[in-house]
Amino acid sequence: GNSVTQMEGPVTLSEEAFLTINCTYTATGYPSLFWYVQYPGEGLQLLLKATKADDKGSNKGFEATYRKETTSFHLEKGSVQVSDSAVYFCALLPYGNNRLAFGKGNQVVVIP
Amino acid sequence: EAQVTQNPRYLITVTGKKLTVTCSQNMNHEYMSWYRQDPGLGLRQIYYSMNVEVTDKGDVPEGYKVSRKEKRNFPLILESPSPNQTSLYFCASSPIDRNTGELFFGEGSRLTVL
Repeated sequence: GNSVTQMEGPVTLSEEAFLTINCTYTATGYPSLFWYVQYPGEGLQLLLKATKADDKGSNKGFEATYRKETTSFHLEKGSVQVSDSAVYFCALLPYGNNRLAFGKGNQVVVIP
Repeated sequence: EAQVTQNPRYLITVTGKKLTVTCSQNMNHEYMSWYRQDPGLGLRQIYYSMNVEVTDKGDVPEGYKVSRKEKRNFPLILESPSPNQTSLYFCASSPIDRNTGELFFGEGSRLTVL
């Protein structure tokens, strides 16, 4: 089936540190891939997306590259801020399908 | 302001007492969907609608009903709530009549069933 796997557990890091959140997927065909962010007390917001292999999505200093060979879409940011503290969800939309599959999310806490 | 509005934002109720969570969007979006968010499980889709009078089950539809009589509204109905429906619920919409993956989410409705 179609699924997304995110690394287990919260991520705690200091301001200006480098952030990586791993995301791998299982899908038939050529899915579209997304990262959503959920700030405390709010709904999810689309952070970035990639619709085909080797595409790089970017927004607000975050980047993720669609790697078909490793079935991955890891999220990175070079220098995090306290305001980046949030829950980050990786998501997959299979080609020709209406069902967006979310990963379990990763809590990111940035300490001043 | 473009938004998806859910009500109520917080609700505590008892087992078996019917309730409705409303969802309204002002963006003229075709596609709407309901999700529940539970610790350790992420987001799971309950129902979705691609247009007026067109609804379909998501991954966890048991115990829920929906209706889509108007484009802007997509209420979630719990006919006989049970404690396992205690969760954080999100409504989402998308501009065309299929899910492009680019969803606009409401702020969530936290439901507790005692």
